[in-house]
Amino acid sequence: DGGITQSPKYLFRKEGQNVTLSCEQNLNHDAMYWYRQDPGQGLRLIYYSQIVNDFQKGDIAEGYSVSREKKESFPLTVTSAQKNPTAFYLCASSERTGGEYNEQFFGPGTRLTVL
Amino acid sequence: SQQGEEDPQALSIQEGENATMNCSYKTSINNLQWYRQNSGRGLVHLILIRSNEREKHSGRLRVTLDTSKKSSSLLITASRAADTASYFCATDAKRDDKIIFGKGTRLHILP
Repeated sequence: DGGITQSPKYLFRKEGQNVTLSCEQNLNHDAMYWYRQDPGQGLRLIYYSQIVNDFQKGDIAEGYSVSREKKESFPLTVTSAQKNPTAFYLCASSERTGGEYNEQFFGPGTRLTVL
Repeated sequence: SQQGEEDPQALSIQEGENATMNCSYKTSINNLQWYRQNSGRGLVHLILIRSNEREKHSGRLRVTLDTSKKSSSLLITASRAADTASYFCATDAKRDDKIIFGKGTRLHILP
């Protein structure tokens, strides 16, 4: 089955710890994204990558870091510098045709709770 | 920066009625997309409408786009309990090299 997976589904972190959220896709998409969603809110873009070994900051990148060493993988690290990391994190991927973004495919999400 | 804004924020209707949600945006777009999110899940793509299109249908969904007013609407006809979800519009703005999501409309279908 083609798709996008995220792990773990639930993650608990103590204050001061870094944690890494996994995102893998087998759709052969060039572009990948990380979003943060708070209760009752929309999606806010953290980081995105249009091609391997390249990524750009989104609207709320502070306290987060990413890497894109492989086309199919785009892990997100939530660092201790992120002041309020408790949220629902969504990863997505898409293709780009003629400079235009096509539909995004989303993973099931990771719910991060800071204890 | 928020590009799309959905209206209303929340909507409750009786099963069988039609539901209409609106999205307004600020700058020129390549396309506009609508997504659905069930509680605690990832988003699912519903429909994409390009800037040179005015209307698009998919099953019980009808999307319109008015680029002169910078607005779009999503109509769900003959609503069902399973349509209860949050609905988001997302814009592929020409000036931005990314897709930007609105805050969504929470739709509740009453039995």
